[in-house]
Amino acid sequence: GIQVEQSPPDLILQEGANSTLRCNFSDSVNNLQWFHQNPWGQLINLFYIPSGTKQNGRLSATTVATERYSLLYISSSQTTDSGVYFCAVDMNRDDKIIFGKGTRLHILP
Amino acid sequence: GAVVSQHPSRVICKSGTSVKIECRSLDFQATTMFWYRQFPKQSLMLMATSNEGSKATYEQGVEKDKFLINHASLTLSTLTVTSAHPEDSSFYICSARRFGRGNTEAFFGQGTRLTVV
Repeated sequence: GIQVEQSPPDLILQEGANSTLRCNFSDSVNNLQWFHQNPWGQLINLFYIPSGTKQNGRLSATTVATERYSLLYISSSQTTDSGVYFCAVDMNRDDKIIFGKGTRLHILP
Repeated sequence: GAVVSQHPSRVICKSGTSVKIECRSLDFQATTMFWYRQFPKQSLMLMATSNEGSKATYEQGVEKDKFLINHASLTLSTLTVTSAHPEDSSFYICSARRFGRGNTEAFFGQGTRLTVV
């Protein structure tokens, strides 16, 4: 099956810093999404981005489908950005969604 | 935006009893829903795909008789953990996909934290 690898596994930054999270996938995908899991376990949809670039406030994401990777950028980090960021993909519209292992981000005040 | 609601958010049950978890798509119909399990500090692992009007598809290693899935309508899927044991304690989370104009975005419920004592 398709493999999804996220890096780095852990990231500790000072408030105000910028960060880049990476997601590599082993095969062509139909869909790619980025999520933020908050301390209560809720998965928050950040981006639906099978290809191209999107921006939402301090967050932006880029997926280069031909090279099988996606990047999530967080600028001017805040302590509320702390948590786990997951990349998830599927290979076709009716297929199951497979998650990477996540990047655990900790923003220090 | 699309909302998927999961209930209950937290449940404690005695060993040997059964627990039912509901997953509803509130503002769209979902012919397919997904059930995941997450252990502490780990990723989400797919347990099964719930199909409206037909049997669920289980991932390898997931016991069908222990984790009963019923997708009774286009907006409701249930997961029943039967004869629960302490090793079934985990965070269970459901997902539904909204289809439209080439978009197949997945949305997730709030999750259910199950503790078996």
